[in-house]
Amino acid sequence: DIQMTQSPSTLSASVGDRVTITCRASQSVSTWLAWYQQKPGRAPKLLIFQTSTLESGVPSRFSGSGSGTEFTLTISSLQPDDFATYYCQQYNSFSRNTFGQGTKLEIK
Amino acid sequence: EVQLVQSGTEVKKPGESLKISCMGSGDIFTTYWIGWVRQMPGKGLEWMGIIYLTDSDTRYSPSFQGQVTISADKSISTAYLQWSSLRASDTAMYYCVRVRLYSGFDLGYFDYWGQGTLVTVSS
Repeated sequence: DIQMTQSPSTLSASVGDRVTITCRASQSVSTWLAWYQQKPGRAPKLLIFQTSTLESGVPSRFSGSGSGTEFTLTISSLQPDDFATYYCQQYNSFSRNTFGQGTKLEIK
Repeated sequence: EVQLVQSGTEVKKPGESLKISCMGSGDIFTTYWIGWVRQMPGKGLEWMGIIYLTDSDTRYSPSFQGQVTISADKSISTAYLQWSSLRASDTAMYYCVRVRLYSGFDLGYFDYWGQGTLVTVSS
């Protein structure tokens, strides 16, 4: 079973900051990784798939990179709308849960 | 525009059965997989299973196999998630999702999400 671990669990940052969230897989998932953003009381929203491909309409300040077992989501310049919880998800293979535990991005 | 519209909030007692629904717009259901994702209160996301409406091919997360049943009626573009006997631990928000699944893979990523159905199970 592939386990996905995100770090940090909580991140405090300010508007304009560059932030990076890391997602590690317990075994290789190649580049089959997606990132989602969830705001309180709302359904998650797809940001990135296949590690680095931005979903249509997602601002270019979001980017993803990595391969194998280590991946990052970077927001180049935080905007007020970006404060939310972020989840990674592997879709390389079946496992009990394919999501990371989430990273809450808070306003410092 | 793709839309997934889920049935409304449910409040049930332990032991009761329940079936919630997810209706898709357009031709979404004829060529895609539809899945279900659970989010327990204050917790993260867990994928439960996916179904291909064309032939009802269904795949379950090992965590949910035998605990729920996923089904669909392609004639009305609707997928379902059902329980035969609810428990308090089933209290959660349930999201239906459109799954982008590549040939040769068992799972994909989720590009469209329904608004969620809140299920509360309490005596």
